Amino acid sequence: SAVISQKPSRDICQRGTSLTIQCQVDSQVTMMFWYRQQPGQSLTLIATANQGSEATYESGFVIDKFPISRPNLTFSTLTVSNMSPEDSSIYLCSVEWADRGLYEQYFGPGTRLTVT
Amino acid sequence: QKEVEQNSGPLSVPEGAIASLNCTYSDRGSQSFFWYRQYSGKSPELIMFIYSNGDKEDGRFTAQLNKASQYVSLLIRDSQPSDSATYLCAVSAGGTSYGKLTFGQGTILTVHP
Repeated sequence: SAVISQKPSRDICQRGTSLTIQCQVDSQVTMMFWYRQQPGQSLTLIATANQGSEATYESGFVIDKFPISRPNLTFSTLTVSNMSPEDSSIYLCSVEWADRGLYEQYFGPGTRLTVT
Repeated sequence: QKEVEQNSGPLSVPEGAIASLNCTYSDRGSQSFFWYRQYSGKSPELIMFIYSNGDKEDGRFTAQLNKASQYVSLLIRDSQPSDSATYLCAVSAGGTSYGKLTFGQGTILTVHP
């Protein structure tokens, strides 16, 4: 499987500011995703990060709030814009890994964001 | 709306027992099924995936899939205190939704010595 890293691992931010989270993979992968895990909740998919084109957002998530970049097959960023306390969550990137025709999805270590 | 439901927890089992975790899903077109383990403060760790009806075994873990009943389960044999974690069931629809996972709410498992 791929080794995934995220930066920063955690941050405390003021409301109204923006934070960019980086996700780096040690191998080229076709599919990368961004998820959010709110306190005490399960994971919710924010968007699919498409290489060379605009990200595909899930219902309830918009590009103005969560702009995503995917400049190559090993790197992606998620920006949380104009933050409010409701954005306090763990943000996770994931990659899809193909092994002998079967697809598995692995998660990075996550970025714990607190908005004050 | 695609939904994934897990049996409500928390689930508490004694060390050495079998822990049974259950999951149902609403989208009959779902094709891929995953079980993740998440320790407190950590990210989800993939422990099992299954695509075909029947059982799939890996060490102490067995995943069971019944597409007709839209049901997937995870059995943990000889449970250990280190198995104490939240277990997340995730489902992928395949096709154009391939790779997009819908997660259940998770089941907290506690294995007591």
